[in-house]
Amino acid sequence: ETGVTQTPRHLVMGMTNKKSLKCEQHLGHNAMYWYKQSAKKPLELMFVYNFKEQTENNSVPSRFSPECPNSSHLFLHLHTLQPEDSALYLCASSLDRGTHEAFFGQGTRLTVV
Amino acid sequence: GENVEQHPSTLSVQEGDSAVIKCTYSDSASNYFPWYKQELGKRPQLIIDIRSNVGEKKDQRIAVTLNKTAKHFSLHITETQPEDSAVYFCAPITGGGNKLTFGTGTQLKVEL
Repeated sequence: ETGVTQTPRHLVMGMTNKKSLKCEQHLGHNAMYWYKQSAKKPLELMFVYNFKEQTENNSVPSRFSPECPNSSHLFLHLHTLQPEDSALYLCASSLDRGTHEAFFGQGTRLTVV
Repeated sequence: GENVEQHPSTLSVQEGDSAVIKCTYSDSASNYFPWYKQELGKRPQLIIDIRSNVGEKKDQRIAVTLNKTAKHFSLHITETQPEDSAVYFCAPITGGGNKLTFGTGTQLKVEL
């Protein structure tokens, strides 16, 4: 257990659905991240938040919308996804950006049908 | 953008042998160099890291060496065991210290 919790663990959604992924940490970390992991590509950074402010958007399509209401919670809102968006979505947190260990959640396995 | 490459992409060794995985990066400002291990069906976890003010760091059977001039760092695992079988990712810090950019991963298989 790393102290980073993601829900749900599995999600199946249609291309017209709207859903949200949730990530929570109570480690006192200030930075939170969303990564996408698919079979064809390595871990791809999507978004970085530091002290609730977005500091990185790695050219992610607008159908993915992050939200960070406080340093402990991070959401990823999904709408009108495509089948190629099916992947494992991993949340991570670290004490500060970059130069500290990143603690990962268990991930949400997303399937878009 | 930042370029991070790992070699080899797959590595098969006999139990007890050593394994070496190399990571090459392009951001000359990188100053933090971690390695993560991801077992099948599990989350990535940090196993060792090094900062740019040292050239080598050891932790029992695991070591990391850094060559900043050549912009590469390597993971060394000695006396490999079946439980070392996993995917290993390097993740040098890039983008002015803003993010970890993960390498393409190396599938290590330790055979009995």
